[in-house]
Amino acid sequence: DQQVKQNSPSLSVQEGRISILNCDYTNSMFDYFLWYKKYPAEGPTFLISISSIKDKNEDGRFTVFLNKSAKHLSLHIVPSQPGDSAVYFCAASEGYFGNEKLTFGTGTRLTIIP
Amino acid sequence: DARVTQTPRHKVTEMGQEVTMRCQPILGHNTVFWYRQTMMQGLELLAYFRNRAPLDDSGMPKDRFSAEMPDATLATLKIQPSEPRDSAVYFCASGPGQGASGNTIYFGEGSWLTVV
Repeated sequence: DQQVKQNSPSLSVQEGRISILNCDYTNSMFDYFLWYKKYPAEGPTFLISISSIKDKNEDGRFTVFLNKSAKHLSLHIVPSQPGDSAVYFCAASEGYFGNEKLTFGTGTRLTIIP
Repeated sequence: DARVTQTPRHKVTEMGQEVTMRCQPILGHNTVFWYRQTMMQGLELLAYFRNRAPLDDSGMPKDRFSAEMPDATLATLKIQPSEPRDSAVYFCASGPGQGASGNTIYFGEGSWLTVV
């Protein structure tokens, strides 16, 4: 039973445009959400997070939006750059912290076209 | 530069052989996780420890997998006997634990396992 779902296995976006990656979850107990970025042959690295008491968190070119009633979150990257090409994992925690047990989605491979 | 260290980085083994993967968490982190990456499941949690005690190993096939923390600086994941379906990338991650500062967990570079 996949509690965190990323329904788009891949996404291609033109350089300079906005990339939007989506994530849905089913577990109402999730209170903290994170995005990780993964390059080939490396481990995932933390990108940005949001707690359930917020609906938006911004960090430079990256913004995460949370719609708790729809159990949906999205990651916006603008403008997209070639270095953003990677696999992006959505993750969720039942606690209020991102350093606890995380449940991950299956990932979305983002390709930025120069 | 603090990081999670995993060995081996790559392992090719024959079906039926024992495989042991090792992880050195970041110094001072008291929570250690083992994840497995597959195409179908993404990153799935196999087991995790806090202060060396196992908290959850429900994601692990009990008949062939075992995870331990012999001491605070070493976590091991063992597969015996290994099967071709175990071929995957195994990630270790560590975190500072509940309520601690640093609101994320940190991953190692992974151990790429191929069972033939």
